[in-house]
Amino acid sequence: DAGVIQSPRHEVTEMGQEVTLRCKPISGHNSLFWYRQTMMRGLELLIYFNNNVPIDDSGMPEDRFSAKMPNASFSTLKIQPSEPRDSAVYFCASSRGTSGNTIYFGEGSWLTVV
Amino acid sequence: GENVEQHPSTLSVQEGDSAVIKCTYSDSASNYFPWYKQELGKRPQLIIDIRSNVGEKKDQRIAVTLNKTAKHFSLHITETQPEDSAVYFCAARNGNQFYFGTGTSLTVIP
Repeated sequence: DAGVIQSPRHEVTEMGQEVTLRCKPISGHNSLFWYRQTMMRGLELLIYFNNNVPIDDSGMPEDRFSAKMPNASFSTLKIQPSEPRDSAVYFCASSRGTSGNTIYFGEGSWLTVV
Repeated sequence: GENVEQHPSTLSVQEGDSAVIKCTYSDSASNYFPWYKQELGKRPQLIIDIRSNVGEKKDQRIAVTLNKTAKHFSLHITETQPEDSAVYFCAARNGNQFYFGTGTSLTVIP
C-alpha cells in the first residue's frame, strides 16, 4: 500500500487566498484525521471522520476552516481566507476504526501564508 | 475526554546511554498506546505500541512498559545512537480517537 497520500507537499500563498489540502487515506481504513503541527502548539487534532462522517470538529480553529470527506478515499481541508497564523504543517492520518489499530500519517502539507 | 501528559519535553543523553520518556493518561477506557518518532521535516512514524492487556513489549533496543493501575506508560531506548535523535510522541487510543502527548525532543550526543 502507498500509505496516506497528501497534496500538495508544499504551498506558499498570500494572505486572503483560499487553500485546499487533499488527502487519500490508506485503503480499508475508515477513520481519517486532520492534524496541524506548529512549534508553539505541537500536534493538534483539527477534525476526524469515521466512515466519511465528521465525528469531532471541536479542534477546527474557526469558521475559516472546513473539511469534507465525500467518499472513503478522499478528504479535503480548506482554509478560506488564509492568514499568516495558519502557517503550519498539516498532517492527514488514517486508521482502521477498531480498537487496537494504530494511526498512520501522511507526509504532511507544509503551508506558508505570507 | 482523555488527557495525555508527556515528560520530559527535552532530553539529552550521551551515545550509548539509555533514554526514558514517560507518559500518563487519564481515562481508564484507553486501551492502546503507540509511540511515534518524528525526525526533522518528516512525518511521525510508529516505532512501537502496546495494548492494554500487555505490561511490556520489546523490539531490539526499544521497549515500552504499561502500568494500567497507575495509568502510566514509558518508552525505553537502550544503547542510544545519534540516529535516535528525534522528537518522540506518545499516544493513547480511546474509542476511535487518538490523544497525543506534547512530544519529547531527544538529542543523543556522540
